[in-house]
Parts: sequence; structure tokens; C-alpha cells
Amino acid sequence: QLVLTQSPSASASLGASVKLTCTLSSGHNSYAIAWHQQQPEKGPRYLMKVNSDGSHTKGDGIPDRFSGSSSGAERYLTISSLQSEDEADYYCQTWGTAVRVFGGGTKLTVL
Amino acid sequence: QVQLHESGPGLVKPSETLSLTCTVSGYSISTSYYWGWIRQPPGKGLEWIGSMYHSGSTYYSPSLRSRVTILVATSKNQFSLKLSSVTAADTAVYYCAREGLYDSGNYYMDVWGKGTTVTVSS
Repeated sequence: QLVLTQSPSASASLGASVKLTCTLSSGHNSYAIAWHQQQPEKGPRYLMKVNSDGSHTKGDGIPDRFSGSSSGAERYLTISSLQSEDEADYYCQTWGTAVRVFGGGTKLTVL
Repeated sequence: QVQLHESGPGLVKPSETLSLTCTVSGYSISTSYYWGWIRQPPGKGLEWIGSMYHSGSTYYSPSLRSRVTILVATSKNQFSLKLSSVTAADTAVYYCAREGLYDSGNYYMDVWGKGTTVTVSS
């Protein structure tokens, strides 16, 4: 079964960097994922797609501070030079031919 | 610039059918992409409901399949969601989104609507 696992929460200081993790279920190491950001009281926004080889494709207007990478079954979102507006929920999402799956989301607090 | 806008009743009675419409501007839904519905119960995460291609091909979440229908109205550049026999557990913000290109093998949401809140209550 295709499942994505995320830690419920993360925190980092203003100006620092943070790395969020999304883990694919067993047998799905080759799957790409997408990262979406949801700021408080707003709808989600597509950030980037991350492939199994670590390459990533960002959405329009996404700052260079956001980057993606991979290792095995793990897909990462790294945010550098954290700003207050980065405080948000971050969801990973993957897909099969007839299914779309979201992770449970990580709530990022900027201290 | 592609934009999506959800519309429909904000209040639905239990056991009735929830009906929402997604109007797409800046892009024709009759070409190339999959389009989908996603919901978010209060204080919870995102849940995929289903996806469609303009030819009529549809995929639904296994947990909702028995109650969901997604239809397309290409002449209006719209697609719709119908969810039958609703309960309080269907109370959520409902989003429509553009997904990947047909046959691309990449089916992630790259453009989202702002969402519409639906409350199920008598």
C-alpha cells in the first residue's frame, strides 16, 4: 500500500535552515513526490516535485531558499534562511496511475 | 494564468448530496491535464477525493468511491463533485486542483483553488 509518513511538527529559528522529511512506504523507493505549502488560513500551494534521484522541479515563483533532495525512501524539503512567512503546514504527495496520496503534514514553527 | 474557483452551497443537511463546481479560467479543461478534488476537515490534513480527465476517465479514493461522482462540463470549462449521503464527517474545506498531464506519469497538484467550506448540519 502506498503511504507517506511525515513528522507532525518541526521548528527552527528565524534565519536558520530546516529539513523536512517524507518517507515512502516499503517497495515504493522509486516514486517521486510533490511538496505543498499551506500557510495559516490559506489554501495549499505547490512548491516542487522531487524525484528519486534527488532532482527537483519547482513551481513558478518559488524562492531559491526552497530545495528538494532524496535518499532511498526518503524525500526532503530544505528551507534555508527561514523567514516568518515560512511558518506553515507542509504536505508531501505522491501518486499511482489511479490514486493520489497525501502525507499527514508537518507543522513548521519559525522561532 | 490558470485559476480555479470552487463554488456551491456552504451548508448541506445530513443524508443529502453535496454538490460543488470548479470553474477553470486561463486554460481549457478539454486539453491534456487531469483535474481533481481534495478536502480538508477542520484541523486535519489533506485528503484526495478523486480525479478526472475530460474524456470521462475518473479515479476515486477507495474510501469514498461508493458515494462520489466527478463530472465534467467542457462547454462551461467546469468540473463538478457530487458526494452522496453526507454526514458530519464530510464537513471540510473542499479544493479543486489541476493535476498532471495525461500519460505523463506525473500526477501532482500544481495549481490549487482557494477552497470552499462545506458544513454538514441539520
